[in-house]
Order: sequence, then C-alpha cells, then structure tokens
Amino acid sequence: QLQLQESGPGLVKPSETLSLTCTVSGGSVSSSAYYWGWIRQPPGTELEWLGNIFYSGTTYYNPSLRSRVTISVDTSKNQFSLKLNSVTAADTAVYYCTTLTSSDPRYSWFDPWGQGTLVTVSS
Amino acid sequence: QSVLTQPPSVSGAPGQRVTISCTGSTSNIGAGYDVHWYQQLPGTAPKVFIYGNKNRPSGVPDRFSGSKSGTSASLVITGLQAEDEAVYYCQSYDSSLSGSWVFGGGTKLTVL
Repeated sequence: QLQLQESGPGLVKPSETLSLTCTVSGGSVSSSAYYWGWIRQPPGTELEWLGNIFYSGTTYYNPSLRSRVTISVDTSKNQFSLKLNSVTAADTAVYYCTTLTSSDPRYSWFDPWGQGTLVTVSS
Repeated sequence: QSVLTQPPSVSGAPGQRVTISCTGSTSNIGAGYDVHWYQQLPGTAPKVFIYGNKNRPSGVPDRFSGSKSGTSASLVITGLQAEDEAVYYCQSYDSSLSGSWVFGGGTKLTVL
C-alpha cells in the first residue's frame, strides 16, 4: 500500500526558500502509474494545489505560483521534493504530499495523502 | 475565491439527509472532467470519499453518494451520523490557464 511522509523545516524566514521532501513507501517514484504532487492548506482555510510531477520529469504547476515553485524527483532515495522561493507570511500553511492515480491525470483524484507538515514563515 | 463554489456550511439532525453542492463552469465540471469529494476531519489530511463523480472507495459507507450534472455536482449524505461531522471538499480539473487541479472552498457539515 502506497504511503507518503513529508519532512522538512517547520520554520522558514521571509524571502528565503521553503524546501520539503516526501518519502514514498510501498511504491516507486519511477512508476508511470503516479503523478506526484503537493497541496497546501493555510490555517483554517481551503486546499490549494501547488503542482505535480510525472516520473519522466514533466511538471504541472499552479499558474499563480509557477514562477516560485519547483517540484523534482530523486529516484535514488525514492523521494520527491518541493521548493518554494521568496516566501512570505502568506505561504504559512500545512503542506501535504500526495499523488494522482489514473492513466489520465485530468480525471484523477488525490490519493493517498501524507499526514501534512506545518510550515510557518516568520522572522 | 475558489474556482469551484461550495456553501460554507450545512447542518442536519441525526438520521436526516443533507446535500452539499459544488458549482463550477464550462472549463471544469461542465467540460466533462470528473468531480471527486474529500472528507477532512480536524487535524487530519483530507481523505477521498467519492471519486469519479459517484464511486465510493472501499470503507466509505453507502450513505454517501455523488452525482454530476452540467456544471455542478452534489454530495448527498443520508442517515446522518455524528461521525459525519467534518469539512467536505470537491475537486476537479480546470482546462483554463494551461490546466490546473482545483478545489472548492470546503463545506463544514454540522450534525445537530
């Protein structure tokens, strides 16, 4: 059974880069069955899709964040990562790693999800 | 403002039936993309409850059902139980702006 676990700093200073890693177990990041991705949720508010990556390296990013987001895969560690640069307080959120499961990701749903990790942007 | 519109809250007494709506547009639900529903309990990650408009994952009670018509979708919960109290999100794909996966703003279900 596929399981995901986020890790990374819980506190990031304004203007710096937020970096998180998702460790995959029960499956391979090199699999063509998944589109690995990140979703965030500011405290008390709604879910926001950040982006996805296919094993081939093809990426899909939220247009509103495209200039600041990078998602990559590390096959040697069976992990994928999120980098969000030039952060502000508005980037404070719980960050979830997840995956799309389908042969056509446009019709897919996010499952499973990691437990989430709170990242606070503050000096 | 969310691409998919949900009511902020709904409520019902135990045993009653409630409906949560999710309204989109011709670039997402109306374009034929599937709608999926998630349940989020406090302090936990969202969990898919309905996928592909109307399908329930194993373990989800058959009291939960989904449907889609035109540019909208609905989640219906019958025989409401206290354990159903949670926030529910709809999700789909939007083909505008080079494509995005989009969520509704979430609906807080309160069991009275």
